[in-house]
Amino acid sequence: SQTIHQWPATLVQPVGSPLSLECTVEGTSNPNLYWYRQAAGRGLQLLFYSVGIGQISSEVPQNLSASRPQDRQFILSSKKLLLSDSGFYLCAHTAGDLGYEQYFGPGTRLTVT
Amino acid sequence: AQKITQTQPGMFVQEKEAVTLDCTYDTSDPSYGLFWYKQPSSGEMIFLIYQGSYDQQNATEGRYSLNFQKARKSANLVISASQLGDSAMYFCAMREGALLGGFKTIFGAGTRLFVKA
Repeated sequence: SQTIHQWPATLVQPVGSPLSLECTVEGTSNPNLYWYRQAAGRGLQLLFYSVGIGQISSEVPQNLSASRPQDRQFILSSKKLLLSDSGFYLCAHTAGDLGYEQYFGPGTRLTVT
Repeated sequence: AQKITQTQPGMFVQEKEAVTLDCTYDTSDPSYGLFWYKQPSSGEMIFLIYQGSYDQQNATEGRYSLNFQKARKSANLVISASQLGDSAMYFCAMREGALLGGFKTIFGAGTRLFVKA
């Protein structure tokens, strides 16, 4: 079965500090991977997606970046966090050619102080 | 322009009754998919049901059914026999076309459902 892991589960970081969130997928190969951000009480905003190693597309220009160093690893980074970066970050993947539904990880709750 | 609209920020339903959560969408792509996800307070996103734009019949999954009205561009979620555990945030989402072999999914703002005992 497919499993998606995210860590850390929660994070409190000061403004201006760097960020690294990790997402790994098990039980599937060559998944399409996604990073979403959810502000409090709001819907999901697609930040980045990746269809393969080293292939990253950005949906929203901002101070965040993403990388995919391995087939089943997706990393979200920032060099300097802003207060507006606070939120709930969800990693998701679709598997196979059809990819009808997205499977989500447990999420990382980030608070920038 | 908003592509997925959920007009009900919050809904109350009595336990064991049915409830309909509204969702309208906007797309010019003839091939698309519609999803509903449940997000309990724990934050995890749980896939509930899927409807393809070419599907002739409304999708059903247990107590969940999707009332798909293509001409009106609506994809309402119907939950029958509500349970206390159904209290959660519900998101309508749409997948458009193909994204370099994957799919781009757009989410609505969500509806918070409260089930009363």
